[in-house]
Amino acid sequence: GQQVMQIPQYQHVQEGEDFTTYCNSSTTLSNIQWYKQRPGGHPVFLIQLVKSGEVKKQKRLTFQFGEAKKNSSLHITATQTTDVGTYFCAISDNQGGKLIFGQGTELSVKP
Amino acid sequence: DAGVIQSPRHEVTEMGQEVTLRCKPISGHNSLFWYRQTMMRGLELLIYFNNNVPIDDSGMPEDRFSAKMPNASFSTLKIQPSEPRDSAVYFCASSFNQLQPQHFGDGTRLSIL
Repeated sequence: GQQVMQIPQYQHVQEGEDFTTYCNSSTTLSNIQWYKQRPGGHPVFLIQLVKSGEVKKQKRLTFQFGEAKKNSSLHITATQTTDVGTYFCAISDNQGGKLIFGQGTELSVKP
Repeated sequence: DAGVIQSPRHEVTEMGQEVTLRCKPISGHNSLFWYRQTMMRGLELLIYFNNNVPIDDSGMPEDRFSAKMPNASFSTLKIQPSEPRDSAVYFCASSFNQLQPQHFGDGTRLSIL
């Protein structure tokens, strides 16, 4: 079945450092969604990207959709301890029937 | 507005017992999803419904698992008999349709002893 690769699996940063997680697909995507799950919490929707080359910002978070619509990235500028959690990307399957979640990138931030 | 409501929040039971997890989706959402999350396997989709009809249950691990959605405001996930390897966090999520952003409940943390 269709899959999405997400890297890295873990990232440990010092507070104030930047962080980036990447999602890659072998097929062209119709759209991609990003979610954040805090430790002990549930996934929370952050954003959806639809257009080729699209860039969206939410405060210190920058989301990008590749020109070929096969990859996406989430970049956090100057991380804070509140950014701790696991970040997931999610794509639509080939038949457009459901979302497929990536493996997630777990971010830890050392104060 | 109320979000997705799941119950119970925690469940500890002995293997062989029947376990029933419950979910109330957001009113007006037409799609409902059941996920299982473990450290080893990550977030797995078990089954999803559109307009109360099961569409894809390919993620249901085996016949011990069953899910129902008798109406638009209620769904259950049942495990019978339960086994220790079923221990996980089970999430219910809902959305306007299967491709729209999903809203997750707080999950049920299930421990089978």
